[in-house]
Amino acid sequence: QVQLVQSAAEVKKPGASVKVSCKASGFTFTDYGINWVRQAPGQGLEWMGWISAYTGNTNYAQKLQGRVTMTTDTSASTAYMELRSLRSDDTAVYYCATSKWYGLLEYWGQGALVSVSS
Amino acid sequence: ETVLTQSPGTLSLSPGERATLSCRASQSVSSSYLAWYQQKPGQAPRLLIYGASSRATGIPDRFSGSGSGTDFTLIISRLEPEDFAVYYCQQYGGSPLFGGGTKVEIK
Repeated sequence: QVQLVQSAAEVKKPGASVKVSCKASGFTFTDYGINWVRQAPGQGLEWMGWISAYTGNTNYAQKLQGRVTMTTDTSASTAYMELRSLRSDDTAVYYCATSKWYGLLEYWGQGALVSVSS
Repeated sequence: ETVLTQSPGTLSLSPGERATLSCRASQSVSSSYLAWYQQKPGQAPRLLIYGASSRATGIPDRFSGSGSGTDFTLIISRLEPEDFAVYYCQQYGGSPLFGGGTKVEIK
């Protein structure tokens, strides 16, 4: 069965970077795109961007351009999301999710909490 | 930039009742690339509906979606105890974005 297992929770200081991983199993990794979505405490969902696991092409949400980088390691069936210059309002649960159709989020990871605090 | 507005913000209903959730887009959603997700506390969202009206794998037929253009609706025909959750609509395809969510709570 499709499974996405994300890395553990992290605590970071403002200005630091975080890299969240998402290990996939149960499907052919390169047949899908991987999206990243975040959710601040008590808030709604925010789409952050997408990467094609086949080509490595990316598309990022405009508000995160320049601070976010999404990559994949196809040999390990793992996707990564790095967010730099962290601020307190980056505190959120970060989810990865597969998509066959761009942006349609079919299967989700369990989420990884990133807390940014001085 | 498109904005998705969901209403109502909170829906208070009893098990067995019908729930009607609305999602209105500020611009037409192309090719009905509109999805609905369910999220329970402490869990990741789950895909319910895509293409405005197609149920995702394993989703019970009490969930139905309809609409086109700028107005979309999710109906839960008879609420089961496990259906009390937050529901999000989402435009996918061009520039993915989510609505603010509707919480369906037990009355």
